[in-house]
Amino acid sequence: GAVVSQHPSWVICKSGTSVKIECRSLDFQATTMFWYRQFPKQSLMLMATSNEGSKATYEQGVEKDKFLINHASLTLSTLTVTSAHPEDSSFYICSAPTRTSGGEQYFGPGTRLTVT
Amino acid sequence: AQSVTQLGSHVSVSEGALVLLRCNYSSSVPPYLFWYVQYPNQGLQLLLKYTTGATLVKGINGFEAEFKKSETSFHLTKPSAHMSDAAEYFCAVSPSGSQGNLIFGKGTKLSVKP
Repeated sequence: GAVVSQHPSWVICKSGTSVKIECRSLDFQATTMFWYRQFPKQSLMLMATSNEGSKATYEQGVEKDKFLINHASLTLSTLTVTSAHPEDSSFYICSAPTRTSGGEQYFGPGTRLTVT
Repeated sequence: AQSVTQLGSHVSVSEGALVLLRCNYSSSVPPYLFWYVQYPNQGLQLLLKYTTGATLVKGINGFEAEFKKSETSFHLTKPSAHMSDAAEYFCAVSPSGSQGNLIFGKGTKLSVKP
């Protein structure tokens, strides 16, 4: 089946620094990828839709200048959390649909971000 | 707007007992429906999905779900719980069809007692 990877799996950074999270589709091309955020013991909330070769579409309430998304190729989308603060600590998950998946999303294993 | 409601944030069953996790959705068009499982600190794994056709869908690990349009429900069941089934379960709907994002319910944590 299709595989989506994320790197790093966990990261600890100091407040005020920036962190980049990578999402890769390993064996298929993804013109669209989705970034979700999950707080402890809560559901996944869509942050933005990453579109290859064009600007990302952000959900209401998500700061596009804080969460920079770049989808430079058909297999890679990156999420950069700029000037991170403790409230940005969360579990970030990406996903990608495949053309033949019938609506199914393939999820990455997630990245645990802790801002100290 | 489309939404997903999972009744019961926490369900506890004994090993060998029936598992029933409830999911209701709201959708103005025929939806794609999914159940995902998440183990601690891991991503989501697809259990099963409904797109079209047969309304009783069988998934991995002995789980199945039935799409009931009249009840706007997609409840997840397993006849006999196993300790390894303990995890968080999410019901999701795809509002835009095959290429769209998913809208998730709040999740149900399943505990299995020995």
